[in-house]
Amino acid sequence: EPEVTQTPSHQVTQMGQEVILRCVPISNHLYFYWYRQILGQKVEFLVSFYNNEISEKSEIFDDQFSVERPDGSNFTLKIRSTKLEDSAMYFCASRGRSEQPQHFGDGTRLSIL
Amino acid sequence: GEDVEQSLFLSVREGDSSVINCTYTDSSSTYLYWYKQEPGAGLQLLTYIFSNMDMKQDQRLTVLLNKKDKHLSLRIADTQTGDSAIYFCAERASRGSYIPTFGRGTSLIVHP
Repeated sequence: EPEVTQTPSHQVTQMGQEVILRCVPISNHLYFYWYRQILGQKVEFLVSFYNNEISEKSEIFDDQFSVERPDGSNFTLKIRSTKLEDSAMYFCASRGRSEQPQHFGDGTRLSIL
Repeated sequence: GEDVEQSLFLSVREGDSSVINCTYTDSSSTYLYWYKQEPGAGLQLLTYIFSNMDMKQDQRLTVLLNKKDKHLSLRIADTQTGDSAIYFCAERASRGSYIPTFGRGTSLIVHP
């Protein structure tokens, strides 16, 4: 069964540094998402992306965050100047047609030191 | 805003049935999902139910929906140690945002 893949599985970064989290969505999917899960807390929506533009974003997704689909397969989340509170699991998800559910990757654990 | 609530822990004996409960507040919820998260892994979609259904069964999994009470449950029959994981309930409305709202997750611990 096709799956969403994320790299790296664990990223350790110094506070203030930029980080890029990578995702390869399922190949025929059209809608792409990033979520985060701070340890012990709920899965929180960050941003959705469709037709090469952001379709929706949450309050968490401020100016330090950006997303990009640089080619036909990758979908990236960039955090420009990381803060300690950015430490979390970051999940990428994708879905096909409107009524289909989202499929999630295994996540990237981001640790900010 | 929308909210989804689940109990945090459930402990069952291997071979027994597990029932994980979820309540939600958004009366316009149309799709309700159950995801499973094993240690170190992502969210695996287990099953989902459309709000015009009361029940959905898929092998050992049974989903019950009480739309009037906004209550969703996931029953796992003959629970195995491999079922130990965190189970997330999520809901989304049919119109507007397609973003699901997740609960905090229920940790299911299966012991011999």
